[in-house]
Amino acid sequence: AQSVTQLGSHVSVSEGALVLLRCNYSSSVPPYLFWYVQYPNQGLQLLLKYTSAATLVKGINGFEAEFKKSETSFHLTKPSAHMSDAAEYFCAVSGPKSGGFKTIFGAGTRLFVKA
Amino acid sequence: KAGVTQTPRYLIKTRGQQVTLSCSPISGHRSVSWYQQTPGQGLQFLFEYFSETQRNKGNFPGRFSGRQFSNSRSEMNVSTLELGDSALYLCASSASGENTGELFFGEGSRLTVL
Repeated sequence: AQSVTQLGSHVSVSEGALVLLRCNYSSSVPPYLFWYVQYPNQGLQLLLKYTSAATLVKGINGFEAEFKKSETSFHLTKPSAHMSDAAEYFCAVSGPKSGGFKTIFGAGTRLFVKA
Repeated sequence: KAGVTQTPRYLIKTRGQQVTLSCSPISGHRSVSWYQQTPGQGLQFLFEYFSETQRNKGNFPGRFSGRQFSNSRSEMNVSTLELGDSALYLCASSASGENTGELFFGEGSRLTVL
């Protein structure tokens, strides 16, 4: 079975500060891991994905995440927060099922950016 | 290339009614998944369709159903609506041959049940 735990339902940072959103996963098979972002009244948009190539994955808008198998973690970081980063972020794990894939999402972390 | 299109974007229904939501995937995408998003439960997987067949199903009652047409467009239906069905319903498509589960989402259909 697969599961995803996001630590912290709300994170608040100042503009220009480091963003760190935490995600731990559980998977019985090598996982595919994703971070998605959701802006108000919109669907989810892919930020980045890990597919067993490089463990440090770079995504859009300056975000990156590092896959750490020993810690079963896939934390999302950005060196300097911008006001436009305020949104909800979802970590997700995907694995094969019934010829396709089943994707499980974490509960989400809402990021607030203070001026 | 057009993205995933969901209609309607907003709708209001009353308890006991039924509703049908539509999703047009990205051209060439044959897999369509549906998710329910609520503040309390987060994103919950409803079902996935591929080539007109339901391939995976989540833990929702039989009031929730779906189908996929030969052009990969998909509909989901909720019968005998309950207040708890108020949610944002998201559709996502996946590229044919894509082997990681990456999803492309529509903007959702926000259902309010009164």
